[in-house]
Amino acid sequence: DTGVSQNPRHKITKRGQNVTFRCDPISEHNRLYWYRQTLGQGPEFLTYFQNEAQLEKSRLLSDRFSAERPKGSFSTLEIQRTEQGDSAMYLCASSFSGAGTGGYTFGSGTRLTVV
Amino acid sequence: DAKTTQPTSMDCAEGRAANLPCNHSTISGNEYVYWYRQIHSQGPQYIIHGLKNNETNEMASLIITEDRKSSTLILPHATLRDTAVYYCIVRVGGDTGTASKLTFGTGTRLQVTL
Repeated sequence: DTGVSQNPRHKITKRGQNVTFRCDPISEHNRLYWYRQTLGQGPEFLTYFQNEAQLEKSRLLSDRFSAERPKGSFSTLEIQRTEQGDSAMYLCASSFSGAGTGGYTFGSGTRLTVV
Repeated sequence: DAKTTQPTSMDCAEGRAANLPCNHSTISGNEYVYWYRQIHSQGPQYIIHGLKNNETNEMASLIITEDRKSSTLILPHATLRDTAVYYCIVRVGGDTGTASKLTFGTGTRLQVTL
């Protein structure tokens, strides 16, 4: 297992276009998280899944954002009608709920630039 | 989750110990202290966590004060590769859903120099 994988690493899109990012978590991890990070700030929580169920969504996740994890394995994060303010690094992390207090494993992120 | 306060930046000479402080004066009895770091252009990396006892692993040591209102992450022999932003996070432990997420602040930017 090579850890949490995110694709693409970089995405440049025009304002108003839709974009989709993919995250492949560590295979035995049942929890998957999405975070967003802008320059100079720490990551901000967006949403998380346990298996295929989306259990919590931040108010940062506007109606233009949607996340899915259809089979409890990989996840996608879609942003519709992108805006320049959506430019950020989008990070995915996974963990195993049975690990109790253990830490997350993060991917390297997808850097989105909206022009 | 309780709020944490960290210095914005610190410098450390290579080979010396780096001591990164964190204040969490409003921590609750069931909240753990977690440390992550983020090297430029990478995702955050888990370092260590603890409840009230001091902890050590292959990466670092975590010293938590007896009243649990502050902690220090110690990198015993800092190298250039330890240059990163270090985040101190307080979070309720366990499996409950709302306790699962991490809330990051702006962290401490550690610069290790020759």
